[in-house]
Amino acid sequence: KAGVTQTPRYLIKTRGQQVTLSCSPISGHRSVSWYQQTPGQGLQFLFEYFSETQRNKGNFPGRFSGRQFSNSRSEMNVSTLELGDSALYLCASSRSGAAGNTIYFGEGSWLTVV
Amino acid sequence: GENVEQHPSTLSVQEGDSAVIKCTYSDSASNYFPWYKQELGKRPQLIIDIRSNVGEKKDQRIAVTLNKTAKHFSLHITETQPEDSAVYFCAASSNAGNMLTFGGGTRLMVKP
Repeated sequence: KAGVTQTPRYLIKTRGQQVTLSCSPISGHRSVSWYQQTPGQGLQFLFEYFSETQRNKGNFPGRFSGRQFSNSRSEMNVSTLELGDSALYLCASSRSGAAGNTIYFGEGSWLTVV
Repeated sequence: GENVEQHPSTLSVQEGDSAVIKCTYSDSASNYFPWYKQELGKRPQLIIDIRSNVGEKKDQRIAVTLNKTAKHFSLHITETQPEDSAVYFCAASSNAGNMLTFGGGTRLMVKP
């Protein structure tokens, strides 16, 4: 069974641009969440989607947004990129929305903003 | 919101020794506590998890204990091997979704 798939794996953007990252969850998983990982701030929750609805949101500015499609695939978008947005963006999926579900991570998308 | 503290930030042990990493959490409603191992340049991988209705769980050389009263949980690795070297993250989840709050991570180095 394929794991969580993220694309693109690596990308470089310029300040002020916008970026869209894509995530395909494990087959049968309906919950998708996004995390940002940086050396300084560690792993921080961005948002979670379940059945195409955003269920939880972390403490990030409105430049960070996401959505989920009917097939559970998800995208996140960052507009007006800043140097501080350089990070590893991790997508994670779990089977359902129940608390305590095992959460599996993708390999991540490495974003560098120059 | 939930806050998770993890100690130590770095841990160096000799091969064969045991390693213990401790985490405390703030939200008494937290009910799910996973541990992830992340090797350099790789994704976090779940190594063990525990739910609030259980006090201890073991999987071969890895064990996790949970003390709900004190709001802390610990990861125990016995007979450490060089391939155990990685960054380990604890996390807690307290709501109806799948939002994890992570500790700051522990870099474990196992010296051969």
